[in-house]
Amino acid sequence: EAQVTQNPRYLITVTGKKLTVTCSQNMNHEYMSWYRQDPGLGLRQIYYSMNVEVTDKGDVPEGYKVSRKEKRNFPLILESPSPNQTSLYFCASRRGGGETQYFGPGTRLLVL
Amino acid sequence: AQSVTQPDIHITVSEGASLELRCNYSYGATPYLFWYVQSPGQGLQLLLKYFSGDTLVQGIKGFEAEFKRSQSSFNLRKPSVHWSDAAEYFCAVEAGGGNKLTFGTGTQLKVEL
Repeated sequence: EAQVTQNPRYLITVTGKKLTVTCSQNMNHEYMSWYRQDPGLGLRQIYYSMNVEVTDKGDVPEGYKVSRKEKRNFPLILESPSPNQTSLYFCASRRGGGETQYFGPGTRLLVL
Repeated sequence: AQSVTQPDIHITVSEGASLELRCNYSYGATPYLFWYVQSPGQGLQLLLKYFSGDTLVQGIKGFEAEFKRSQSSFNLRKPSVHWSDAAEYFCAVEAGGGNKLTFGTGTQLKVEL
């Protein structure tokens, strides 16, 4: 089944404790992205990637890192999480520009 | 830089009534435009998209949208709403060919039976 998977789905952590949210897609898509969703703000793009080893900042990259060492994986790293990073995070992938974006199920993060 | 405005935060319609959700974008050239739907507790699903050709595009679940360059708009419509259409709807714009997408803040649709 074609899908985007994220782990974990739910995470409670404390300020400053490094964490990684994994994202994997099995559709051989070139493009991948991370978004955060907050009430009243919609989805905001954190980082995106157009190919292996090619990543770029989205609209809200501060406090986040990503890597794209393999085509299928695009982990999101929070080196030192803060409470303002409490949010719902979505990973997404698609074949290329203008193509349909496929979203993962989301990761709900609470930073205390 | 591109931007998207969805001026209606909440909309309530009666089942069977028609629906129009507004979306205005800002971008220097003709962008790629998308409408996504998010049902409660779910991820996002593409309803339809536009990037060239016929300005009236048909999507899934009976939705359609019309691109109007002169008004920088891409409004979503449905002639007869079903209770299962209750969800949050997001308009998005892409600067052609890249992977930079900008979403609107969403419109929450409530359907009264």
